[in-house]
Amino acid sequence: AQKITQTQPGMFVQEKEAVTLDCTYDTSDPSYGLFWYKQPSSGEMIFLIYQGSYDQQNATEGRYSLNFQKARKSANLVISASQLGDSAMYFCAMREGRSGAGSYQLTFGKGTKLSVIP
Amino acid sequence: DAGVTQSPTHLIKTRGQQVTLRCSPKSGHDTVSWYQQALGQGPQFIFQYYEEEERQRGNFPDRFSGHQFPNYSSELNVNALLLGDSALYLCASSQTGAPYEQYFGPGTRLTVT
Repeated sequence: AQKITQTQPGMFVQEKEAVTLDCTYDTSDPSYGLFWYKQPSSGEMIFLIYQGSYDQQNATEGRYSLNFQKARKSANLVISASQLGDSAMYFCAMREGRSGAGSYQLTFGKGTKLSVIP
Repeated sequence: DAGVTQSPTHLIKTRGQQVTLRCSPKSGHDTVSWYQQALGQGPQFIFQYYEEEERQRGNFPDRFSGHQFPNYSSELNVNALLLGDSALYLCASSQTGAPYEQYFGPGTRLTVT
């Protein structure tokens, strides 16, 4: 089974509007971390936001917020007030195990290509 | 503060050849991970190095090997290149105790002909 599923290959959003990128995950480990990365056409993976499985509140970083629904195993990324520079590939990723122990690798989804329309 | 750097940027090799990719981690980071990203896919974990040893390995054959130096920089070596090894190779660095902060380099684009 896929550990990280991103069901939206591509998304369009109007500039200044909000957009939600979907991510569901599969793990039996009670300790895990969820990440979102942005990858512009240049190729570099840019860290956006992190949510730990024990975090009580949804993570927020500026215009980015993570809608964490643990029971549904979903970790959707919400981008508010979209900008033209937000056009890029977006990847959801998971690390299983507690920080400092367990698995160190990130497992990535296949990504969602976001296009912001002026 | 220099981020993660990788060299070379692009590389073209022939099937059967060997290649070495290099990575310098972000200042203060002691752990380096390597990922392979095929076109249209998400990155896949190859292995991670800490204290000059391979700490964890993904599902990649032994043709993929690595090394970490005392200054924490790292090399990824791929022997007997196959066409399917064509991909973007990403290096990520982190600090022990804060593995959730993985910073990626710009990648090396490897083309095997």
